[in-house]
Amino acid sequence: AAGVIQSPRHLIKEKRETATLKCYPIPRHDTVYWYQQGPGQDPQFLISFYEKMQSDKGSIPDRFSAQQFSDYHSELNMSSLELGDSALYFCASSLRLVKNTGELFFGEGSRLTVL
Amino acid sequence: KNQVEQSPQSLIILEGKNCTLQCNYTVSPFSNLRWYKQDTGRGPVSLTIMTFSENTKSNGRYTATLDADTKQSSLHITASQLSDSASYICVVSHRLSGGYNKLIFGAGTRLAVHP
Repeated sequence: AAGVIQSPRHLIKEKRETATLKCYPIPRHDTVYWYQQGPGQDPQFLISFYEKMQSDKGSIPDRFSAQQFSDYHSELNMSSLELGDSALYFCASSLRLVKNTGELFFGEGSRLTVL
Repeated sequence: KNQVEQSPQSLIILEGKNCTLQCNYTVSPFSNLRWYKQDTGRGPVSLTIMTFSENTKSNGRYTATLDADTKQSSLHITASQLSDSASYICVVSHRLSGGYNKLIFGAGTRLAVHP
């Protein structure tokens, strides 16, 4: 079965550079979530989209932006990268969690290293 | 404050033994509780989702329990295998107004199964 696809899987950038991560949700899923997971940390919610509109915002820095496109894929844009941005970035998709039991499927993550 | 706390932080057991992981939460209002398995550097994979009315749910060698009164959950792993070595994350769904749910992650329990 198709899963959540994230690209690139690994990315190395230098401070003050920009980076773009992409997420392709499971077909027919209408909701996308972005999480940031630092070393030894639990995933921190960044932002989510439902039907191409931002539905919730977490601890996403102002330097980051994201959007969901008409084909439901999402991109996380990160500018003025800092060392502390080095982390594993997960994308997850689901049918909207209105019914309280919507399953959340995670991608394999994109590992960003900022030098 | 809505929080999810897991214990122990890490655990080492021998192959074939059983173990139990704990999750306590203060999330309210509560929608559901999920247990995820996360292999190192990989995306979390769902093991179980439990709603308010469910006390026990099994998925193969994994059995989750939920006591909504005391706000406690446990994940019991039977006859552990080397492949069970991973982080186990408890995630509680916080029901917000408008029918939307926000996921609150625990810090995880890192399980190592040794031969």
